[in-house]
Amino acid sequence: GENVEQHPSTLSVQEGDSAVIKCTYSDSASNYFPWYKQELGKRPQLIIDIRSNVGEKKDQRIAVTLNKTAKHFSLHITETQPEDSAVYFCAASKGAGKSTFGDGTTLTVKP
Amino acid sequence: ETGVTQSPTHLIKTRGQQVTLRCSSQSGHNTVSWYQQALGQGPQFIFQYYREEENGRGNFPPRFSGLQFPNYSSELNVNALELDDSALYLCASSGASGGDTPQYFGPGTRLTVL
Repeated sequence: GENVEQHPSTLSVQEGDSAVIKCTYSDSASNYFPWYKQELGKRPQLIIDIRSNVGEKKDQRIAVTLNKTAKHFSLHITETQPEDSAVYFCAASKGAGKSTFGDGTTLTVKP
Repeated sequence: ETGVTQSPTHLIKTRGQQVTLRCSSQSGHNTVSWYQQALGQGPQFIFQYYREEENGRGNFPPRFSGLQFPNYSSELNVNALELDDSALYLCASSGASGGDTPQYFGPGTRLTVL
């Protein structure tokens, strides 16, 4: 089955710096790659997603890139703010709607 | 804020018991997926329901079962509870069963098995 690896497991940045989280997947049939933000005690919230026919997508301070050949995708957050502090999960999904998640990255943005 | 709701919020059971968790999908969504999230880990796919039929299953034993009702709400049933079943159970709804459709999560049910 699909396997998703996510790095780093923890990331600490200064406010205003950029943060990058990387994921790799194993199943070339995966065609949808969402990113979720989960604050402590809350539900995962979809923050951005990308489909396999697109190489890059941007939404304000957040961008995601996808390299299908290398089977990896990355989340980029620019101008980080303390409220960006949370656990971020990447996921890979294919036809049946099943999503395989990475183990998460705990992002801490220091004021 | 999404419209996916789950009940109950918290639940404590003992080993060997059975539990039923409930999920109401967001308005207009006909697909519900269930996930188990252990502490410090990402959600793990249990199964998905589309139009009242199971439509994909992860690596979970048969004692995990589910239902979807005509209004697209769903139940997750777990029999013969084990200590390792302690986790946050999340449901997510989407507008279709396809893999490239966004899913929106409910707040989860925290299950503790003693």
